[in-house]
Amino acid sequence: AQKVTQAQTEISVVEKEDVTLDCVYETRDTTYYLFWYKQPPSGELVFLIRRNSFDEQNEISGRYSWNFQKSTSSFNFTITASQVVDSAVYFCALTNYGGATNKLIFGTGTLLAVQP
Amino acid sequence: DAGVTQSPTHLIKTRGQHVTLRCSPISGHKSVSWYQQVLGQGPQFIFQYYEKEERGRGNFPDRFSARQFPNYSSELNVNALLLGDSALYLCASSLRGQRPGVEKLFFGSGTQLSVL
Repeated sequence: AQKVTQAQTEISVVEKEDVTLDCVYETRDTTYYLFWYKQPPSGELVFLIRRNSFDEQNEISGRYSWNFQKSTSSFNFTITASQVVDSAVYFCALTNYGGATNKLIFGTGTLLAVQP
Repeated sequence: DAGVTQSPTHLIKTRGQHVTLRCSPISGHKSVSWYQQVLGQGPQFIFQYYEKEERGRGNFPDRFSARQFPNYSSELNVNALLLGDSALYLCASSLRGQRPGVEKLFFGSGTQLSVL
């Protein structure tokens, strides 16, 4: 069975602090994809990053960085120098490579509140 | 270009009623997926449609049904509403309905359904 766990329900930081959102996943598949989505109060899910299981290189995009470690089944997301606009719910998601559908398995999300 | 559009944005129904939610994919996209997001949880996969055919279904009762029209828009129908059906219903579209690792899913802002 596939499962995504985001143990942090809510995180509150002050602007300019760094913050890391944790994601742990379970899958029996050897080939899979991991994602992070941002959900602002407006409701739509905004794609942030996709990572396949063969690529363990860490990635940096501006203030965002991602740390993928297969050995610990984790795909953590760090925001450097957080801003108020980063306040949102962040979801980690998983999909296998060989499925018949484009189904995503989501975690329960982490609500990030960045205080000015 | 317009993104994924969903209507209505908010809806209030009473137990036992029927509801129809609508989704228009991004122009050129042929696949539509539906997700249910209960408050405090991550989205859960309900259906995927591609070229008017059901490609997959999540673990939802038969009260949930959907269809896709020749213009690729889609309707999600829920019969005999229960209090537990209260949720944000998200629609996502993609070009060819391939796995999210291959092509990106684009989400709408959702329909907030409240069942009283």
